[in-house]
Amino acid sequence: EIVLTQSPGILSLSPGERATLSCRASQSFSNSYLAWYQHKPGQAPRLLIYGASSRATGIPDRFSGSGSGTDFTLTISRLEPEDFAVYYCQQYGNSPLAFGGGTNVEIK
Amino acid sequence: EVQLVESGGGLVQPGGSLRLSCVVSGFIFSDHYMGWVRQAPGKGLEWVGRSRNKDNSYFTEYAAPVKGRFVISRDDSKNSLYLQMNSLKTEDTAVYFCARAGTGLGATYFDSWGQGTLVTVSS
Repeated sequence: EIVLTQSPGILSLSPGERATLSCRASQSFSNSYLAWYQHKPGQAPRLLIYGASSRATGIPDRFSGSGSGTDFTLTISRLEPEDFAVYYCQQYGNSPLAFGGGTNVEIK
Repeated sequence: EVQLVESGGGLVQPGGSLRLSCVVSGFIFSDHYMGWVRQAPGKGLEWVGRSRNKDNSYFTEYAAPVKGRFVISRDDSKNSLYLQMNSLKTEDTAVYFCARAGTGLGATYFDSWGQGTLVTVSS
């Protein structure tokens, strides 16, 4: 079973700043099958990135994903007010699928 | 427009059962893998399980905490996904999301989600 560890748990930043979120896997998995989601309270989660680096439909280009093997990164180049939320990584290459514990990007 | 609407949540006693439904529209249901994800109060997202698509014989897979207690099924004629939850425990209390995945093993990230339905297990 693959375990995903996200860091930091909380990221306090101001609008316009750059956010760098980390997701580390306990072992490598198939073909960088790693996705990132944004989740706001009371809403459905939103797919941002799949395949470690491909942006989902309609996702602004300030969101980017990178990494391979066991280390993955989500970068938000310039935070907009609507970007403050919890972000989760998920591996879908091996069963059981798994989510990381999340990073809360909060307003400083 | 892709839509997923969950229903069936509510209050149930420990040891009880509950069946969640997810009705979908806007896409060919039988082509897609489908899954359930939950979020306990104050916690993160947790994968519950998934059903593969028709081409993969609707094979189901489950997370360890629910295996043997939860069953995922689907009725393509009704564009519906189900989650039968048995022997419920207090730790199963969560918002349960229905989610659509892709059409093949290489695309089983969740690209569309419902709004969720709350299940509370308490005496």
